[in-house]
Amino acid sequence: EPEVTQTPSHQVTQMGQEVILRCVPISNHLYFYWYRQILGQKVEFLVSFYNNEISEKSEIFDDQFSVERPDGSNFTLKIRSTKLEDSAMYFCASSPQGDQPQHFGDGTRLSIL
Amino acid sequence: AQTVTQSQPEMSVQEAETVTLSCTYDTSESDYYLFWYKQPPSRQMILVIRQEAYKQQNATENRFSVNFQKAAKSFSLKISDSQLGDAAMYFCAYKGYSGAGSYQLTFGKGTKLSVIP
Repeated sequence: EPEVTQTPSHQVTQMGQEVILRCVPISNHLYFYWYRQILGQKVEFLVSFYNNEISEKSEIFDDQFSVERPDGSNFTLKIRSTKLEDSAMYFCASSPQGDQPQHFGDGTRLSIL
Repeated sequence: AQTVTQSQPEMSVQEAETVTLSCTYDTSESDYYLFWYKQPPSRQMILVIRQEAYKQQNATENRFSVNFQKAAKSFSLKISDSQLGDAAMYFCAYKGYSGAGSYQLTFGKGTKLSVIP
């Protein structure tokens, strides 16, 4: 069964550094999402992306965050200047259409030192 | 804004027994989708079951079934014949109808399920 893949599985970064989290959505899916889960808390929506543009974003997704689909397969989340509070598990998800179930990757654990 | 509430932070069940996890939600929409996701210790998010609000029939997937009460805005998950591999964090999630233009999932805080051998 096709899967959403995320790399790396664990990223350790110094505070203030830029980090790029990578995702390869399922190939025939058109909608892409990023979610965040701070340890011990619920999963929170960050952003959705469709037709090469952001379709929706949450309050968390401020100017330090950006997303990009640089080629036909990758979907990236960039955090420009990381803060300690950015430490979390970041999940990428994709769906064939917006109203169909979202399939999640295994997540990238981001640790900010 | 929609909210999802899971009132049971932790639950336990004896292996082979049945357990029900509760979820309530708040919305002003009439059409929407509800989901249960499982998150084992490995922390991946796995879709367990989904329910379309316009369908009166409760969804079933093998040992997993839901009790969807639209008027009460309740969406509980029943796990029958519990297995050790069912031990995980379970998240209830809501998604509005696409016509409203929002596709984000809103999650509850989760219920940690332990299965006792």
